[in-house]
Formats: sequence, C-alpha cells, structure tokens
Amino acid sequence: EIVLTQSPATLSLSPGERATLSCRASQDVSSYLAWYQQKPGQAPRLLIYDASNRATGIPARFSGSGSGTDFTLTISSLEPEDFAVYYCQQRSNRFTFGQGTRLEIK
Amino acid sequence: QVQLVQSGAEVKKPGASVKVSCKASGYTFTGYYVHWLRQAPGQGLEWMGWINPNSGGTNYAQKFQGRVTMTRDTSISTAYMELSRLRSDDTAVYYCARDRIFGVVTPNWFDPWGQGTLVTVSS
Repeated sequence: EIVLTQSPATLSLSPGERATLSCRASQDVSSYLAWYQQKPGQAPRLLIYDASNRATGIPARFSGSGSGTDFTLTISSLEPEDFAVYYCQQRSNRFTFGQGTRLEIK
Repeated sequence: QVQLVQSGAEVKKPGASVKVSCKASGYTFTGYYVHWLRQAPGQGLEWMGWINPNSGGTNYAQKFQGRVTMTRDTSISTAYMELSRLRSDDTAVYYCARDRIFGVVTPNWFDPWGQGTLVTVSS
C-alpha cells in the first residue's frame, strides 16, 4: 500500500498569508495525486487533480505542484473560508489518503 | 446540477448489516464510476471500493473483501453499499462519490461527493 505523509499536521496562519502544505508518497506515484478540502460537517471537495490541475470552480489562489514522491499545495493568499482540513490522495495504486493537514486561523 | 443524495443515518447492533443508498441526478448515471469511502469520527478518509454502474462490475479494497457488496439500480440512478458483520469500529460517516471523468477505463478522482451517511454500530 502506498502511504502518504502530510506535513505539517497543523498550520496556523492569518488571512492574507501564504500557505504551503506538503504530501510525501512512500513510492513514486507519478502525477497521480489530488488534493481535497474538508470543512467541519461537510463532505470533502476536490481542489486539485493530477498534481497541478484545478478542479472546476476552484479559485486561482489554489495551486498544486510536484511529481514522483513530493507534492505541494499552495494557497497564495488565505481567505477566511480556506481554513479547513486538507487531504492528499493518490490513485497510482488503488486509492489512499494522507492523514490530513489542519489549517487554522492564527 | 450534479448531485448525489444519500440515505439517512443508521444505528445498528454489532453483527448486523447496513445498506446505504446514493441517488444520482444531473448526469448520465451509467457513464461514471461510483466510489464508496468512509471516515471514522475525527479520523481521515478511507476508500472502500467502486462500482461501474454500466456493467455492474466492482472492485473492493482488500480490507473490506467478503464484507462489502456494492450494487446499483440503473432504473432509478441509485448506487448501494452494503456492509455486513458490523463491528464498533465500523462506526463512521460513509460517502459515495462520483468519478470525475465520463466513460474512463480506469477510475479517476472523486468529484463530487454525497453528503454522507452516519452509521453508528453500538450494542
């Protein structure tokens, strides 16, 4: 099973700041990586797929990069609605998720 | 618009079975894989398997093999997930999610998701 390790577990930032979230895969997943956002009491929402493509309706402040084993989700300037939990997910070999990064207001 | 509406919360006793439904609207039901995932309280996300609504073909995560059955009824655009021999650690919110792309050979990404169904297993 491919294990995804996200860091940090919690990130405390203020609105307007830049957020950088990391996801490391235990083996090469090529570009088969996605990012999801989950707010309390809601289902996850797809943000980024194939490592760097924004899903429909996702604002341009969200961007993804990386390939192989190291990936990054960047939020260029945090809006109040961006504070949530973020998960990475791979589909190179079955489907597995990282444990999540909680982005909280500082 | 594309929508997945799941059935309501369930409370089950250990050893029982639960069947969760996922009704699709706003798109061609038979054109997209439907995945099932779950999230235990305060925990991360876990993929359980998928069903191809066109063929009825399924693929289950090894962890759930023998306990999960995914079916569909194309006449009402609804997918089902049944989990048997429930244990307390099956307590979770269960989600269905459509695959992102129409007609793919290989399942893709999860988009969009249903609202979730809380299944509580307790004696």
